[in-house]
Amino acid sequence: AQSVTQLDSQVPVFEEAPVELRCNYSSSVSVYLFWYVQYPNQGLQLLLKYLSGSTLVKGINGFEAEFNKSQTSFHLRKPSVHISDTAEYFCAVKWSGAGSYQLTFGKGTKLSVIP
Amino acid sequence: EADIYQTPRYLVIGTGKKITLECSQTMGHDKMYWYQQDPGMELHLIHYSYGVNSTEKGDLSSESTVSRIRTEHFPLTLESARPSHTSQYLCASSESGGRNEQFFGPGTRLTVL
Repeated sequence: AQSVTQLDSQVPVFEEAPVELRCNYSSSVSVYLFWYVQYPNQGLQLLLKYLSGSTLVKGINGFEAEFNKSQTSFHLRKPSVHISDTAEYFCAVKWSGAGSYQLTFGKGTKLSVIP
Repeated sequence: EADIYQTPRYLVIGTGKKITLECSQTMGHDKMYWYQQDPGMELHLIHYSYGVNSTEKGDLSSESTVSRIRTEHFPLTLESARPSHTSQYLCASSESGGRNEQFFGPGTRLTVL
């Protein structure tokens, strides 16, 4: 079965420092890639997505991610984090050959921004 | 405003009770989904629907049932709640087509005592 691995369950980082949240997936066949953010007691909100084209994708709130097909990775980055970025971040992958409903999620990474 | 709504947001209930979690969307999406989310775990799809009168079970086995009588409404029902059903339930919707992202509601946190 296809899988999504978020390598860090928790990432503490000081305010205004850069951060990278890592995501790897199990197969290099054609994929669509997503990053979602979940603030406490809320649903998931889309940060950015990769469908095709440029491997560097820019999203909301200053986040960006880079699709690396050879390493089957889609790491999320932000050059300078704010307190308001404290949340849980989920990587999700849709394999284009799978059923179109099938979005596979990682276990999430909790980002804690330290003032 | 186009959005996706879930009620109740929080529910504490005793074992054996019948419950229905409501989900409605005003985005005109054909596809709707129910996920179960436990702390520290990935989201697991328990039900999905491609449109009215279409419902399918997802990857995670669930004792809940769903219905899709109207495009905008996708309620989830547990006939007899048990403590093992304690979890967060997230509803989502999307346009047709594999490239489209899913939009999520705020979730219902269910606790069964």
